[in-house]
Amino acid sequence: TQLLEQSPQFLSIQEGENLTVYCNSSSVFSSLQWYRQEPGEGPVLLVTVVTGGEVKKLKRLTFQFGDARKDSSLHITAAQPGDTGLYLCAPRGGNKLVFGAGTILRVKS
Amino acid sequence: DTAVSQTPKYLVTQMGNDKSIKCEQNLGHDTMYWYKQDSKKFLKIMFSYNNKELIINETVPNRFSPKSPDKAHLNLHINSLELGDSAVYFCASSQVHRGPSPLHFGNGTRLTVT
Repeated sequence: TQLLEQSPQFLSIQEGENLTVYCNSSSVFSSLQWYRQEPGEGPVLLVTVVTGGEVKKLKRLTFQFGDARKDSSLHITAAQPGDTGLYLCAPRGGNKLVFGAGTILRVKS
Repeated sequence: DTAVSQTPKYLVTQMGNDKSIKCEQNLGHDTMYWYKQDSKKFLKIMFSYNNKELIINETVPNRFSPKSPDKAHLNLHINSLELGDSAVYFCASSQVHRGPSPLHFGNGTRLTVT
């Protein structure tokens, strides 16, 4: 069983602040996805990273896959209230997508 | 045009009852899943079907039985419901079951067992 840790579990910040969410494991993954989930809805894909060291940007969100493909980070610049939600990392090992415990982000205006 | 739709959205029932949750996807995907999200928001895979064949069956009580009549549908039947079954159940689909194929989720079914 692969151990997957996501941190922090909860983050409450003011609009305009920057933040980083981490996803760490001792296992090597073929790819990793980040999802965002809003209350009453299912998770929605934000990005997929495949190559070690890969960096992808989605507006104010920057995603990085670790060089060894064991970890990933999500950085949000100038957070907005619309960024509020549950952020889930999901590395893929074989035919299974395993979800981290998630980071609940609350951005206050 | 809902891509992955599941019904009902809310289900309140008593212990010992049997209930079903239905899921349909109109994306033409080959693979469908059931995930369980607990009160701490932890999302855990239960089952996965690829072209109507069961490919993932996690450690789930045999009171839970998935059924895939065709590759666009994956239903979940639960017998003898217990308090601990209370959770949000998500159906999802993906184009294939390997590689970086993203999952498309339904909006969940909140099951409350009293």
